[in-house]
Amino acid sequence: QKEVEQDPGPLSVPEGAIVSLNCTYSNSAFQYFMWYRQYSRKGPELLMYTYSSGNKEDGRFTAQVDKSSKYISLFIRDSQPSDSATYLCAMWAGRRALTFGSGTRLQVQP
Amino acid sequence: DSGVTQTPKHLITATGQRVTLRCSPRSGDLSVYWYQQSLDQGLQFLIQYYNGEERAKGNILERFSAQQFPDLHSELNLSSLELGDSALYFCASSFRDRQETQYFGPGTRLLVL
Repeated sequence: QKEVEQDPGPLSVPEGAIVSLNCTYSNSAFQYFMWYRQYSRKGPELLMYTYSSGNKEDGRFTAQVDKSSKYISLFIRDSQPSDSATYLCAMWAGRRALTFGSGTRLQVQP
Repeated sequence: DSGVTQTPKHLITATGQRVTLRCSPRSGDLSVYWYQQSLDQGLQFLIQYYNGEERAKGNILERFSAQQFPDLHSELNLSSLELGDSALYFCASSFRDRQETQYFGPGTRLLVL
């Protein structure tokens, strides 16, 4: 079983929809939770990171961490075609290396 | 633009050959990380250097090696290349050892024929 599970999608939504992307994990030592966006053939781009449980908002993006359920989410409001990309969750326990999810491919239809 | 640069962008070579990938971290960043991304394996951590010293090792093959130089740029050496080594290789950097804020370069696409 992988330490971090992420539905590969693709997830297809109409423009303007609210998008919910999720990851589950099994390692309770994870303390830092990140979301990266990766456009095709480009390097991953850090969108947000949160420490421990709670919510964090940045513009149209909200990251949510529920450590009790070992579940993290990224919400995208008013989704745009330019949001079409693969979204990778990543987690860090404060030692060793980041652990990445396999990524969810999102398509926002105009 | 993350500020991390990687060269070359594309590399085509033959099995059994050796190649060197180069990475320059963002200004001020001391840590450099190397990742391999293939279609079936996702993003796999290879190795981390911090201020010239190896800090962490992931699933890096013995045929692969890396180093970080005094000016903080890093090189990833891949030898005895096999078809399965074809992948995107990313470099990332972070300030000090703070892995939660890694910034990725544009990657080097390696094709082994």
